[in-house]
Amino acid sequence: EAAVTQSPRNKVAVTGGKVTLSCNQTNNHNNMYWYRQDTGHGLRLIHYSYGAGSTEKGDIPDGYKASRPSQENFSLILELATPSQTSVYFCASGDRLGQDTQYFGPGTRLLVL
Amino acid sequence: GQQVKQSSPSLTVQEGGISILNCDYENDMFDYFAWYKKYPDNSPTLLISVRSNVDKREDGRLTVFLNKSGKHFSLHITASQPEDTAVYLCAAGDTEGADRLTFGKGTQLIIQP
Repeated sequence: EAAVTQSPRNKVAVTGGKVTLSCNQTNNHNNMYWYRQDTGHGLRLIHYSYGAGSTEKGDIPDGYKASRPSQENFSLILELATPSQTSVYFCASGDRLGQDTQYFGPGTRLLVL
Repeated sequence: GQQVKQSSPSLTVQEGGISILNCDYENDMFDYFAWYKKYPDNSPTLLISVRSNVDKREDGRLTVFLNKSGKHFSLHITASQPEDTAVYLCAAGDTEGADRLTFGKGTQLIIQP
């Protein structure tokens, strides 16, 4: 079974603080993704990566940075968190589109006060 | 603009009936189409996917219909059961482009016993 884990699972942060969300996958997939899910918006892609050292902007990258230090790990960084970034964040891993599904992690619930 | 649209935020179907979920897309380059299912507080999981070289794919109670000229695809669930109650997210991508999916906003399906 494909495995994607996220930490922390829940996070409360203060406005202006730095938040790092971590994702680890044991699928040996090349691609990894960060999405946020908000009511009325579905899943929106923030950043993604094709492999270690690679990061690409998704549809809503503003206010977020990403880091892919290794095949297994992909982090999402909020340098200056804002209340509008309160959301549920999902990490996913996958290979070439159409050749394999994207496997999602359990999600991180972030509240920015 | 929204590249993948689910126009119905919710749908209620009687148990045993056929649930029909619809999705429209704008990008002519999309050639991979998928439906994901999401329970509350869980991560999305792939239900079924189809490439643009076919216009129909069946898997048990699930059938995906693809209408390329109309830029429309749908998911039909026969013999709908209460455990089918969930949010259904459609997604599309371009297998010759970036390895990423664009998701719709989701449709909440409620199966009434």
